[in-house]
Amino acid sequence: SAVISQKPSRDICQRGTSLTIQCQVDSQVTMMFWYRQQPGQSLTLIATANQGSEATYESGFVIDKFPISRPNLTFSTLTVSNMSPEDSSIYLCSAWDGDTEAFFGQGTRLTVV
Amino acid sequence: EDKVVQSPLSLVVHEGDTVTLNCSYEVTNFRSLLWYKQEKKAPTFLFMLTSSGIEKKSGRLSSILDKKELFSILNITATQTGDSAVYLCAPSRAQKLVFGQGTRLTINP
Repeated sequence: SAVISQKPSRDICQRGTSLTIQCQVDSQVTMMFWYRQQPGQSLTLIATANQGSEATYESGFVIDKFPISRPNLTFSTLTVSNMSPEDSSIYLCSAWDGDTEAFFGQGTRLTVV
Repeated sequence: EDKVVQSPLSLVVHEGDTVTLNCSYEVTNFRSLLWYKQEKKAPTFLFMLTSSGIEKKSGRLSSILDKKELFSILNITATQTGDSAVYLCAPSRAQKLVFGQGTRLTINP
């Protein structure tokens, strides 16, 4: 199946700063998805990123806090802005390999201190 | 509102046992149901189910979907310590995955 390279793998950041997470897919995909997994919780969809248009955000998530870029069909970034300790989570990007499998990047473990 | 409930939340068994993990869902515009194994950060794909009553198998793992009763099960036979992980059920709606809270499976030697 296709592969997503996600970086950074982990980071420890100061509150009030921003972090940009990158995902590179080894094939072209129409949509990419960004998920968050807070400690002890399951995965929650943040937004869907389409090339050439603004990302679509799920309820409870806003563009000012989680700006997303999708410059081409193989790459996307998610920025976590003005971070607080509540943003400490695992962030995951995802895409579909055709219609048969949704696969994930390796994840970014973010700790905000 | 979409709802996915997995049970049990936690399960501890001995190596060699057989386990059944459950997933019930209420998701609008349901398209398919996916199962994942999560050991560290990234979930690893196991199965995608789209049709009722058709069992999918991969080695010691198997899964089936009931679209009428809105549930799925994941079976693991002859469990091994390497099966210890969190198993996630994720119905999809238009390629968006709605995750359950997961079942934490621990296999003791």
